[in-house]
Amino acid sequence: GAGVSQSPSNKVTEKGKDVELRCDPISGHTALYWYRQSLGQGLEFLIYFQGNSAPDKSGLPSDRFSAERTGGSVSTLTIQRTQQEDSAVYLCASTTPGEEQFFGPGTRLTVL
Amino acid sequence: LAKTTQPISMDSYEGQEVNITCSHNNIATNDYITWYQQFPSQGPRFIIQGYKTKVTNEVASLFIPADRKSSTLSLPRVSLSDTAVYYCLVVPNTGGFKTIFGAGTRLFVKA
Repeated sequence: GAGVSQSPSNKVTEKGKDVELRCDPISGHTALYWYRQSLGQGLEFLIYFQGNSAPDKSGLPSDRFSAERTGGSVSTLTIQRTQQEDSAVYLCASTTPGEEQFFGPGTRLTVL
Repeated sequence: LAKTTQPISMDSYEGQEVNITCSHNNIATNDYITWYQQFPSQGPRFIIQGYKTKVTNEVASLFIPADRKSSTLSLPRVSLSDTAVYYCLVVPNTGGFKTIFGAGTRLFVKA
């Protein structure tokens, strides 16, 4: 069956521009995570959605970052006024609570 | 969330058994120990999960002592394709929490 998909796979943008990253989770998974991974580093938790509960936004690094999940399915991570330090791979994962996380291939963001 | 500590990197040779130990001194009663593997340019993927004693699957074994303050991921007879980053996580069995992956252990398998 289909796994987690993310788009675009690569995004190059100029400093100061806004970007939107999309995640399509596995059908039926109620939980969705966003992570950021800088080159050679581990995964940094950004935000977590579970069903209709309020998301856990405790990992968002600044108010330039926001995310939403529409209809309990597709999620969009938005970064406003991008900075060079935002360059990283952004990973999305979906799961059923208590089960393993399934990751997408990631979006590689480069801010020039 | 219980914090985990694991070696930054390890080297091994093909055919050897590799053991990666993770410390999680503050693990809670309802926490499970979970390991993920990440290859370059890919998202992590689940390897194994356990609560206590020993768990074995087709990929690895997980050894957890009685006090559960540490765990050891054992990879039998590694090959070059096992070169990856391995993450140890402590996760509540009910889910519903943010997860902390940390830096992981970079395993490099040499011919």
